[in-house]
Amino acid sequence: EAQVTQNPRYLITVTGKKLTVTCSQNMNHEYMSWYRQDPGLGLRQIYYSMNVEVTDKGDVPEGYKVSRKEKRNFPLILESPSPNQTSLYFCASSLIGQDEQYFGPGTRLTVT
Amino acid sequence: KQEVTQIPAALSVPEGENLVLNCSFTDSAIYNLQWFRQDPGKGLTSLLLIQSSQREQTSGRLNASLDKSSGRSTLYIAASQPGDSATYLCAVNRDYGQNFVFGPGTRLSVLP
Repeated sequence: EAQVTQNPRYLITVTGKKLTVTCSQNMNHEYMSWYRQDPGLGLRQIYYSMNVEVTDKGDVPEGYKVSRKEKRNFPLILESPSPNQTSLYFCASSLIGQDEQYFGPGTRLTVT
Repeated sequence: KQEVTQIPAALSVPEGENLVLNCSFTDSAIYNLQWFRQDPGKGLTSLLLIQSSQREQTSGRLNASLDKSSGRSTLYIAASQPGDSATYLCAVNRDYGQNFVFGPGTRLSVLP
């Protein structure tokens, strides 16, 4: 089944404790992206990647890192999480040129 | 800076009604526009994708139109059903690199 998977689905952590949210797709998509969704602000793009070893900042990249060492994986790294990073995070992927984005189920992160 | 708005923020209709959801964007230089559906606690499902050169797209009871020059798109849902209850999001793709900007969404409730 074609899908985008994220892990973990739920995470509660404390300020400053490094964490990684994994994202994996099995559709051989070149493009992958991370978004955060907050009430009243909608979805905002954090980082995106157009292919292996190619990443770019989205609208809200501060406090986040990403890497794209393999085509299927695009982890989101929070080196020192803060409470303002409490949010619902989505990973998405698509074929370049085909454009239809496929979204993962979301990761709800709480930073206390 | 591209901004996307959606009106109304919430809508409640009886089953069987036809309805229109509106999406507006400030910069007409877009690559494409995509409508999504989001169910509570779940990821986003793509409904329709309209390229910048197209005027409309149809899928079943859904029809999306695009007027790029005026910065507007509408999603028309015919003969609404309770299963259509969800939040509907529009997203504008700013360039070929798939740099998406999302609207805040319209929360739709279809009452039996």
